[in-house]
Amino acid sequence: QKEVEQNSGPLSVPEGAIASLNCTYSDRGSQSFFWYRQYSGKSPELIMFIYSNGDKEDGRFTAQLNKASQYVSLLIRDSQPSDSATYLCAVLSNQAGTALIFGKGTTLSVSS
Amino acid sequence: GAVVSQHPSWVICKSGTSVKIECRSLDFQATTMFWYRQFPKQSLMLMATSNEGSKATYEQGVEKDKFLINHASLTLSTLTVTSAHPEDSSFYICSALKGGRTGEQYFGPGTRLTVT
Repeated sequence: QKEVEQNSGPLSVPEGAIASLNCTYSDRGSQSFFWYRQYSGKSPELIMFIYSNGDKEDGRFTAQLNKASQYVSLLIRDSQPSDSATYLCAVLSNQAGTALIFGKGTTLSVSS
Repeated sequence: GAVVSQHPSWVICKSGTSVKIECRSLDFQATTMFWYRQFPKQSLMLMATSNEGSKATYEQGVEKDKFLINHASLTLSTLTVTSAHPEDSSFYICSALKGGRTGEQYFGPGTRLTVT
C-alpha cells in the first residue's frame, strides 16, 4: 500500500514564528518529494521539491528529507498570515509511474 | 516558469449534457498530464493519467466512458464529462508533468463544474 501521511491539523502559529509541517511515506523506493500549497477554493501550487537527503532552502521555506526514516518536512520561517493554507505533501514512487501520491494535507493557520 | 491554464474556470450545465474542459501547458511541453477531482474540504483524487498520443489510464472506480480524456498534442489535454449529473459537480483540476522522471507537476487553476 503506497501511503503518504500528514497530520490534518489545524496547525496554529503566531505571526513571525516557525511553522513545521511533517510528512511520512511508506514506499522506501520513493524518489522525489514535493510540497504544494493550496488556498481554499484554489488549485495546488508547487512551492518546494527535494530529491536528496538533507535540507533545501528557498527563501523562507526549508524542505528536509530523511530517506532512512521515510520522513520529509517543511519549515516556514517568519510565518505570515498569507501563509495560512493547506500544505500537501506529495511523493513520486517507482511503483506509481509518473503519478504523485498525495497526502491529505495539513491546514496551517497563522494569526496576526 | 511552468504555467498551466484551464478553460473554462467555471461552468454550469444541465443534467444530461456534456461539458469539455481544456488543460494547456503554456511554456513547456507535457507528454503527460493528470486530471484530478476535489470535493469541498476533501483531498485531491486522481482520476486519470493522460499521455500524448495514447489512451488515458484511469484510476480504479473512474468510469472511462463517462470521463473522456483526449491528449492530442504536447500542450493540450481535454476532459469531457458526458451525460453529467448533479453528483458530478466538483472542482476539476489538471496538472502537467514537467521534468520527466523528477516528477514535478504544475497545476492548472481548476474548473468548477456545477450540474443542475
